[in-house]
Amino acid sequence: GAGVSQSPSNKVTEKGKDVELRCDPISGHTALYWYRQRLGQGLEFLIYFQGNSAPDKSGLPSDRFSAERTGESVSTLTIQRTQQEDSAVYLCASSLGGTGGNTQYFGPGTRLTVL
Amino acid sequence: AQSVSQHNHHVILSEAASLELGCNYSYGGTVNLFWYVQYPGQHLQLLLKYFSGDPLVKGIKGFEAEFIKSKFSFNLRKPSVQWSDTAEYFCAYPQNTDKLIFGTGTRLQVFP
Repeated sequence: GAGVSQSPSNKVTEKGKDVELRCDPISGHTALYWYRQRLGQGLEFLIYFQGNSAPDKSGLPSDRFSAERTGESVSTLTIQRTQQEDSAVYLCASSLGGTGGNTQYFGPGTRLTVL
Repeated sequence: AQSVSQHNHHVILSEAASLELGCNYSYGGTVNLFWYVQYPGQHLQLLLKYFSGDPLVKGIKGFEAEFIKSKFSFNLRKPSVQWSDTAEYFCAYPQNTDKLIFGTGTRLQVFP
């Protein structure tokens, strides 16, 4: 596709429910990132996938958060037993990978509201 | 700890005013720095980036930033802002595996 796409664009859920967020990166981009932007705060790194390497999960805030990526394509971020503090915009980005700071291209985000 | 900081949280300007948004970094070694912008209702997008070489970096839409090593700064500038520059601006650097560490952002409002 032309850019990074994410679905759903909005998700409202009840506390305690599980949610799954999807990201479709730009074709050919080997690196994929998830970030979170909570209201009034900056963007926080969550997890990074690069090809077949083990993902960098250092930003995941708790074991309720997990993510998978199929090869070099779609990724899903799963939040189990959602809490109100999980309410945020979840952003996905992709890049050509490697080191040195390749440009990351961001999707429109999924706005998650936990009631 | 490595970080970037943005001290201007909210900036309000009139059209045609000059803009300078501060970004300071606190790490040594190889320095790569980015400015990203998020226009209302749009995706986060890259404005410009510094890797090495000329410390004055030109970006899109007339923006530029200057890397000043002695001041640990990478301030974003534009000589004359437009109403369409209203947005949130983020300074960032890539850590380890290229994950971006962002500053807290600066909200710019430009009034006609």
